Amino acid sequence: GAGVSQTPSNKVTEKGKYVELRCDPISGHTALYWYRQSLGQGPEFLIYFQGTGAADDSGLPNDRFFAVRPEGSVSTLKIQRTERGDSAVYLCASSLSRGPYEQYFGPGTRLTVT
Amino acid sequence: AQKVTQAQTEISVVEKEDVTLDCVYETRDTTYYLFWYKQPPSGELVFLIRRNSFDEQNEISGRYSWNFQKSTSSFNFTITASQVVDSAVYFCALGESGTYKYIFGTGTRLKVLA
Repeated sequence: GAGVSQTPSNKVTEKGKYVELRCDPISGHTALYWYRQSLGQGPEFLIYFQGTGAADDSGLPNDRFFAVRPEGSVSTLKIQRTERGDSAVYLCASSLSRGPYEQYFGPGTRLTVT
Repeated sequence: AQKVTQAQTEISVVEKEDVTLDCVYETRDTTYYLFWYKQPPSGELVFLIRRNSFDEQNEISGRYSWNFQKSTSSFNFTITASQVVDSAVYFCALGESGTYKYIFGTGTRLKVLA
């Protein structure tokens, strides 16, 4: 079946602009996670959704970052007033349900802020 | 604090050699979950294994094997008879109970030379 998909694959934006990154999880997966991976580092947790609600947003770096999942499937990560330090690969993962299930990752969106 | 340490930044081996990737974790939880993922040059994280803290049985899958030792808080990964296709960055991750978000190590880059 189809895996996790993310669009766009690459996004270049100017400092101060607003961006939206989209994640389409595996069908039937109720848990959805966003991570951010900087060059040479492991992914870092941003936010977790169980269904439509954000169950844990403790990893969001500041209030410029926001994410939604209005219908419990597709999720959008939104970044306002982008800064050069936001440049990274943003990864989305989904898992079957809340629980110790393995997470399946999408290919990521490479965000570059110039 | 929850933490995963992968002390080996980069390892190079010649094809057919065995190689072990180290992973040491810290957690206050009594129930936790450990994972290994592979990130090939294409960038997409590929799930390899999940281990529950209450199951210390070692596991073998083809050329891959995992050694979980709670006494030393380690979850090491061995590739037997390495192949060029094994070249990738390998991440160890700790799944936090409750949200099951991952805490990743910094990864080990494995280069297998022909």
